Amino acid sequence: GAVVSQHPSWVICKSGTSVKIECRSLDFQATTMFWYRQFPKQSLMLMATSNEGSKATYEQGVEKDKFLINHASLTLSTLTVTSAHPEDSSFYICSIAGASYNEQFFGPGTRLTVL
Amino acid sequence: SQELEQSPQSLIVQEGKNLTINCTSSKTLYGLYWYKQKYGEGLIFLMMLQKGGEEKSHEKITAKLDEKKQQSSLHITASQPSHAGIYLCGADRNWGKLQFGAGTQVVVTP
Repeated sequence: GAVVSQHPSWVICKSGTSVKIECRSLDFQATTMFWYRQFPKQSLMLMATSNEGSKATYEQGVEKDKFLINHASLTLSTLTVTSAHPEDSSFYICSIAGASYNEQFFGPGTRLTVL
Repeated sequence: SQELEQSPQSLIVQEGKNLTINCTSSKTLYGLYWYKQKYGEGLIFLMMLQKGGEEKSHEKITAKLDEKKQQSSLHITASQPSHAGIYLCGADRNWGKLQFGAGTQVVVTP
């Protein structure tokens, strides 16, 4: 399957600062990438769909001005958590879908801790 | 919205024994994914089912989707310590947007 990387794997920041998380598709050109969030002991929740060359689409309840997504190329999508607060502390995971959407591959995740 | 129920929430199985995890949807499933996750890590893709009655196997893991496409099961034969982890089912809501079940934690004891 496709190989997906994320950077950083973990980050600790102060409240009020912004954090950028990168998601890279290493061997597949992905026009669509997805961003999920997972709180401790909970399942994954889809946050947004990142589309190369166009604006991201956000799920209901996800603030687009707080979670900025940029899909700059077919292999890179970034998620920026702006003015992070402790309640934003979570595990953020990206994924890419195969060409026919019958496979979806996930990155290793980024653990964000906001102090 | 689609409700996905996974059961059991957790299970402990002795090494060498079989186990089954179920995933039930309130709506028709058009694509059902099974993943394995170790806590705090990414998801490992196991299988994807689309057609009613479909069954797929990989090594000792078999996944099935019922004819009505509202229930899927994941069966592990002769479990090993490497099978320990959290198993997640995910339903494709629309063009790859996945909605996940709550997960099933599997513990394999010697």
